[in-house]
Amino acid sequence: ETGVTQTPRHLVMGMTNKKSLKCEQHLGHNAMYWYKQSAKKPLELMFVYNFKEQTENNSVPSRFSPECPNSSHLFLHLHTLQPEDSALYLCASSPGEDTGELFFGEGSRLTVL
Amino acid sequence: GQNIDQPTEMTATEGAIVQINCTYQTSGFNGLFWYQQHAGEAPTFLSYNVLDGLEEKGRFSSFLSRSKGYSYLLLKELQMKDSASYLCAVMDSNYQLIWGAGTKLIIKP
Repeated sequence: ETGVTQTPRHLVMGMTNKKSLKCEQHLGHNAMYWYKQSAKKPLELMFVYNFKEQTENNSVPSRFSPECPNSSHLFLHLHTLQPEDSALYLCASSPGEDTGELFFGEGSRLTVL
Repeated sequence: GQNIDQPTEMTATEGAIVQINCTYQTSGFNGLFWYQQHAGEAPTFLSYNVLDGLEEKGRFSSFLSRSKGYSYLLLKELQMKDSASYLCAVMDSNYQLIWGAGTKLIIKP
């Protein structure tokens, strides 16, 4: 138990569907992150929020849309995805944006058909 | 560009010692981090080095040489539960984490 909870753990969607991934942290952290993890590739940073404000958008396609309503919750809204978007999506939090000690959730395994 | 290199896969025997190397080229340096990730689970923080030398934490130690752009993670008295992927990451001058692709460690009885 890392204090970061992600739902759903597994998601299968068609290319025309709209779905959302949810992340919640119970650690009182100020920064939250979305990462994409593909087999045998480095973690890819997608978005960073610090005190609810987006501070990083790493050239992510617009079919991925983040939302951070408060410092404990983070969403990733998905629409018209491509099969190559199939991956493990990891949420993480940290006390601040300038620390490398991240607390990760167990991830949402996404399959796009 | 920025780059982190680590072996893709290593195999070791239960009870033995294994060293996982990581080399990096980054724009600036604000620390090096090691994470452990068991299959299907979240990555978890293992260690942090910002100064040259060895940091020991139980059976695990991490070494850093900033002049050589090199680190290693040393695991002693290997146990079957140490089978996992080990991720090396460097924080650059912009406080962004640059990640390696991870080393899958297989422990055999």
